[in-house]
Amino acid sequence: GENVEQHPSTLSVQEGDSAVIKCTYSDSASNYFPWYKQELGKGPQLIIDIRSNVGEKKDQRIAVTLNKTAKHFSLHITETQPEDSAVYFCAAKATGGTSYGKLTFGQGTILTVHP
Amino acid sequence: GAVVSQHPSRVICKSGTSVKIECRSLDFQATTMFWYRQFPKQSLMLMATSNEGSKATYEQGVEKDKFLINHASLTLSTLTVTSAHPEDSSFYICSAGRVAYNEQFFGPGTRLTVL
Repeated sequence: GENVEQHPSTLSVQEGDSAVIKCTYSDSASNYFPWYKQELGKGPQLIIDIRSNVGEKKDQRIAVTLNKTAKHFSLHITETQPEDSAVYFCAAKATGGTSYGKLTFGQGTILTVHP
Repeated sequence: GAVVSQHPSRVICKSGTSVKIECRSLDFQATTMFWYRQFPKQSLMLMATSNEGSKATYEQGVEKDKFLINHASLTLSTLTVTSAHPEDSSFYICSAGRVAYNEQFFGPGTRLTVL
């Protein structure tokens, strides 16, 4: 099955700096890669996603890049703000067989933005 | 995005009792619902996938007789933890959507504490 590795596990930045979180996946057939933000005691919220036919996608301060050949994708947050502090999860969606539609999550990154 | 609710948000029960958690898609019809479990400071682990009107598909290692899932309609799925024990204490999160469209919206989660 799919395996998703996420790094770093913790990331501390100063307000205004950029933050980058990286993920690798194992199943070359995966075709959908969402990123979620989870605040303490809440469910994950989708912040951006990318499909396998696109190399990069941007939404204001957030961007995601995908390298299908290397099987890795990254989340970039620019001009970080204290309210960006949360746990971020990457995920990959399986495309075939009994795993169709399932999301496999990375281990999570605790992002702390210091004022 | 679409709204998914869970009820209750928090439950404390005695060991040996059963607990039912509801997951509702409030403004859309979900063909598929997923149930996840998340232990403190860990990632989301998929427990089972359910499609409306059919039996749930459980992930390896998840006891189907202990975690009963019913997906009675396109807007409601329930997870019943039977004969709960302290090791079942966790954060349970559902998601709902249409996997063919990469849609998967998460609920706010239910914190279960078994004494």
